[in-house]
Amino acid sequence: DTAVSQTPKYLVTQMGNDKSIKCEQNLGHDTMYWYKQDSKKFLKIMFSYNNKELIINETVPNRFSPKSPDKAHLNLHINSLELGDSAVYFCASSQDGEGGYEQYFGPGTRLTVT
Amino acid sequence: GQQVMQIPQYQHVQEGEDFTTYCNSSTTLSNIQWYKQRPGGHPVFLIQLVKSGEVKKQKRLTFQFGEAKKNSSLHITATQTTDVGTYFCAVHTGGGNKLTFGTGTQLKVEL
Repeated sequence: DTAVSQTPKYLVTQMGNDKSIKCEQNLGHDTMYWYKQDSKKFLKIMFSYNNKELIINETVPNRFSPKSPDKAHLNLHINSLELGDSAVYFCASSQDGEGGYEQYFGPGTRLTVT
Repeated sequence: GQQVMQIPQYQHVQEGEDFTTYCNSSTTLSNIQWYKQRPGGHPVFLIQLVKSGEVKKQKRLTFQFGEAKKNSSLHITATQTTDVGTYFCAVHTGGGNKLTFGTGTQLKVEL
């Protein structure tokens, strides 16, 4: 059973398009995250939701909009895609509460913008 | 914001050699986590250290938290090809279980 799943695994699209990535976790966690990993492997948090509420919103262009329909799902919609958006996007989840909980990552979505 | 530096950025070793990656923070940490990411894979949690000077072992992996809780290390004894990947430290910064990941150390093991 996959704990954190993401779709699609690969996404190739042209500049200016709008695309979405979906994430689901079956661990019963209240907190979910989106991370961006660039070509140099730097892993940076973008957003975090706790029980459908946005709690972390890093300095991310407003072309990126997360949505959490319920606590098991966190989707990422990207408008007007740019070349610099090419990266691997990871969804993750963890137990609720302040620091100290391990995070479980999904398999990633490799986005290529041409 | 919080910056967490890891050294080295890359490391090539021969199978059987030891490997160490170091993680350094400018501020005192409440705890530190380590993750491993295999090539083409996703980060996987390895361990969390909480106490000053703490040392934990997982088979050939030894994790250490500095006395001042500003640095940490991961040491692998007698590397194997299965150890290949990128090792990240991660620290909690701010609220909401927010993790700031270190810059990572990419390990390659050659036969």
